[in-house]
Amino acid sequence: GAVVSQHPSRVICKSGTSVKIECRSLDFQATTMFWYRQFPKQSLMLMATSNEGSKATYEQGVEKDKFLINHASLTLSTLTVTSAHPEDSSFYICSAREKWDTSGTYEQYFGPGTRLTVT
Amino acid sequence: RKEVEQDPGPFNVPEGATVAFNCTYSNSASQSFFWYRQDCRKEPKLLMSVYSSGNEDGRFTAQLNRASQYISLLIRDSKLSDSATYLCVVLTGGFKTIFGAGTRLFVKA
Repeated sequence: GAVVSQHPSRVICKSGTSVKIECRSLDFQATTMFWYRQFPKQSLMLMATSNEGSKATYEQGVEKDKFLINHASLTLSTLTVTSAHPEDSSFYICSAREKWDTSGTYEQYFGPGTRLTVT
Repeated sequence: RKEVEQDPGPFNVPEGATVAFNCTYSNSASQSFFWYRQDCRKEPKLLMSVYSSGNEDGRFTAQLNRASQYISLLIRDSKLSDSATYLCVVLTGGFKTIFGAGTRLFVKA
């Protein structure tokens, strides 16, 4: 099956610094990628949707200037957490969508996640 | 009201038991429905899609009721390895994927 990778898997940074997380689709082209955030014991919350070559669409309440998303190619999307603060500590998961069949049904694959800790 | 709501957990069941989860969604225009499984500190993985006619995959059966806007997942003959969080997922008309909060299942020997 399709594989989505994320890097790094775990990162610890100091408050005020920026962190970049990469998401790659390894054996398929992903026209759409999604970024989610998951706090402990809570479900995944969609942060933004990005299509290759265009600006990301952010969900309500997600600061686009703080969470910079770049979907530079059909296999790579990056999320940069700028000026990170302790409340940004979370599990960030990316997902890539591959068109499944001729009916337009989509299969969505998830990366393994990146655990961000801001001290 | 949340767009996708699930049974509150956790469910604690013995091995071999049958357990059912329900999930309701608020957007009547929702197009596709899925059940995902998430193990602790891991990414979610697709368990099965949910089709209008209902579908079965081994010990797992999924049902969709569009009129009442709910989906269900039935697990028969529970195994210890079924212990996980089960996420109800709805794909909206805008192709947004909305996750439920998840239901924790603990299967005990």
